[in-house]
Amino acid sequence: ELKVEQNPLFLSMQEGKNYTIYCNYSTTSDRLYWYRQDPGKSLESLFVLLSNGAVKQEGRLMASLDTKARLSTLHITAAVHDLSATYFCAVDYYNTGNQFYFGTGTSLTVIP
Amino acid sequence: DTGVSQNPRHKITKRGQNVTFRCDPISEHNRLYWYRQTLGQGPEFLTYFQNEAQLEKSRLLSDRFSAERPKGSFSTLEIQRTEQGDSAMYLCASRRTGAEQYFGPGTRLTVT
Repeated sequence: ELKVEQNPLFLSMQEGKNYTIYCNYSTTSDRLYWYRQDPGKSLESLFVLLSNGAVKQEGRLMASLDTKARLSTLHITAAVHDLSATYFCAVDYYNTGNQFYFGTGTSLTVIP
Repeated sequence: DTGVSQNPRHKITKRGQNVTFRCDPISEHNRLYWYRQTLGQGPEFLTYFQNEAQLEKSRLLSDRFSAERPKGSFSTLEIQRTEQGDSAMYLCASRRTGAEQYFGPGTRLTVT
C-alpha cells in the first residue's frame, strides 16, 4: 500500500524560530512536491523536487529530497506569522498512472 | 490564461439530489485530475484524464460518481443521489505530463 506520512501533524512555533517538517513515503519515487494551503483555500505549489539530493529554497522555506531514504524535509528559517498554513507533501508514483499521493498535512501556526 | 477554474465555488444541496461541477484546466495541460478533500485531511485522488480518456479511477469513486472530459478540455464531475458523506471540497488540478499539478479554487459541497 502506498503511504505518504508527514510529521508533525501540528506545529506551533514562535516567530523567529527554526523548524523542520518531515515527509516519508513508502514506495520508490523521484518526484516530490510541496504545497501550501490556507484555510478554506486551494493548494499553492511551493516546490518541485525531481531528483535525489535536490534542494530548493524560496524565502524562509527550503525543501530537500533524499530518494534513497524516501524522505523529504521542509525547513523553516526564522518563522514569521505569514507562514501559518497547512503544508502538504505529495509523491508522484509512475506505476499508478501519475496520480499524486498526498501526505497527511502539517498544520503550522506561528505565534507572534 | 489565469489558471485552473472551477464552478460553482459553493453548492448546497439536499440529500438525494444530483449535482454537477465543472473544471476548466490550464489550456495546454493534457492531464486533468479530480480530488476530494475533507476537513483536516489531504486531498484524496478520485480520477484522472489524459486528454479525453479517463485512465484511472479510485476505489473511492462509487458508481454514484461519474466524470467526463468530452473534448479533452473542460471536465465535469457528477454526483448522483448525494449523501451527507459526500460533503467535502472537490478539487480539480491539471498538469503537463511529468510536471507539477496546478490546483483550482475548489467547489465546496454541503449536503443537508
